[in-house]
Amino acid sequence: EVQLVQSGTEVKKPGESLKISCKGSGYSFTSHWIGWVRQMPGKGLEWMGVIYPDDSDTRYSPSFQGQVTISAAKPISTAYLQWSSLKASDTAMYFCAVGSILKTFHYWGQGTLVTVSS
Amino acid sequence: QSALTQPASVSGSPGQSITISCTGTSSDVGGYTYVSWYQQYPGKAPKLMISEVSNRPSGISNRFSGSKSGNTASLTISGLQAEDEADYYCSSYTSSSTVIFGGGTKLTVL
Repeated sequence: EVQLVQSGTEVKKPGESLKISCKGSGYSFTSHWIGWVRQMPGKGLEWMGVIYPDDSDTRYSPSFQGQVTISAAKPISTAYLQWSSLKASDTAMYFCAVGSILKTFHYWGQGTLVTVSS
Repeated sequence: QSALTQPASVSGSPGQSITISCTGTSSDVGGYTYVSWYQQYPGKAPKLMISEVSNRPSGISNRFSGSKSGNTASLTISGLQAEDEADYYCSSYTSSSTVIFGGGTKLTVL
């Protein structure tokens, strides 16, 4: 059974850094694309980017390029989404998701709620 | 990169059929067969319902079907049931080697 387990709720202040995680199991972590999707409160889904863990090939949406960093640690089958300086507008639910191809997310994590407030 | 265009809401009565449209451009929906549809209940993670325009993953009811014509893809739900009430999102691969979502459609079962 494919499972994606995300790290827990985060409450941070503007300007702080943050790294959230997503641990995959039940499939070949290195040979599937794993990515991140943002959902701001009451809004729709936004594709942020993906990584192919085997060779670390990473693609970003133009909207998120330079704003976040996506990475993966193969030995522990875990993907990460990282911010160096959070803004209040980063407040959202963040989902990780995995697919055998870049173009489709077949399985999803439960979501990580990030709240950024002074 | 603007979101794909979906109607904000659609509604139908139990047993009826509804169709949700998803309009893009030749650089996304019209240019590739990689259109997916996701169902999301409030407070839950999305779930893949249709991939590659019309493929149903294992376990998805055959009441859900997808199609595409030109720059517009469509999701049709037949034999509408109360449990189908949810938000639905389309997505498409793009010429920039990324993926873009639609704005989402809220389905109400009357």
